[in-house]
Amino acid sequence: DAGVIQSPRHEVTEMGQEVTLRCKPISGHNSLFWYRQTMMRGLELLIYFNNNVPIDDSGMPEDRFSAKMPNASFSTLKIQPSEPRDSAVYFCASSLLVVGDWTPGSSYNEQFFGPGTRLTVL
Amino acid sequence: GQNIDQPTEMTATEGAIVQINCTYQTSGFNGLFWYQQHAGEAPTFLSYNVLDGLEEKGRFSSFLSRSKGYSYLLLKELQMKDSASYLCAVRDGRGSYIPTFGRGTSLIVHP
Repeated sequence: DAGVIQSPRHEVTEMGQEVTLRCKPISGHNSLFWYRQTMMRGLELLIYFNNNVPIDDSGMPEDRFSAKMPNASFSTLKIQPSEPRDSAVYFCASSLLVVGDWTPGSSYNEQFFGPGTRLTVL
Repeated sequence: GQNIDQPTEMTATEGAIVQINCTYQTSGFNGLFWYQQHAGEAPTFLSYNVLDGLEEKGRFSSFLSRSKGYSYLLLKELQMKDSASYLCAVRDGRGSYIPTFGRGTSLIVHP
């Protein structure tokens, strides 16, 4: 498997422009996560999908951010309009969420991260 | 909410042993993860603890004490390639299976 695929890997844009980040999760995974990472705030969860349905979007900063998952193999994170403070590395991660499995030593619900998109808004 | 604390930075010598601590305060508990993140790369999974005790996996081990809200990651026979950030992530017990990440501990291994 190619792992989680993200595009673009780098994006430089000007303030006010629309930015669309793309993610292809690992085939067979039922959960997809969008994270943002900065030096100041660390790794923050933006939104979480389960079976293509948004479950928790409480981390989405504001209305400028939106995310979609039209099918099990594709998701987008859109910022419109972009601002300099949105500059960060955006990671997409996927996992096979298994509820209630407590086998010791197992790695259930492990998240697999994509390589990230480094966004710079000038 | 959740509060996860880790040291910001640690240094160690190649070949030595280092212990990275993580303390957490959550409403219930539903598992703790450790991830490794090299500079400019994505986090990768290292370990998962849900019951008290030590989980060993090669040079890396992870310990959990639920009553103390405490975990540590133990790295033995340190190598230069172990220089990375180590992220502690905790799931609370409110029915959510989404982990919250700590700020990470930057480990620098020097010769």
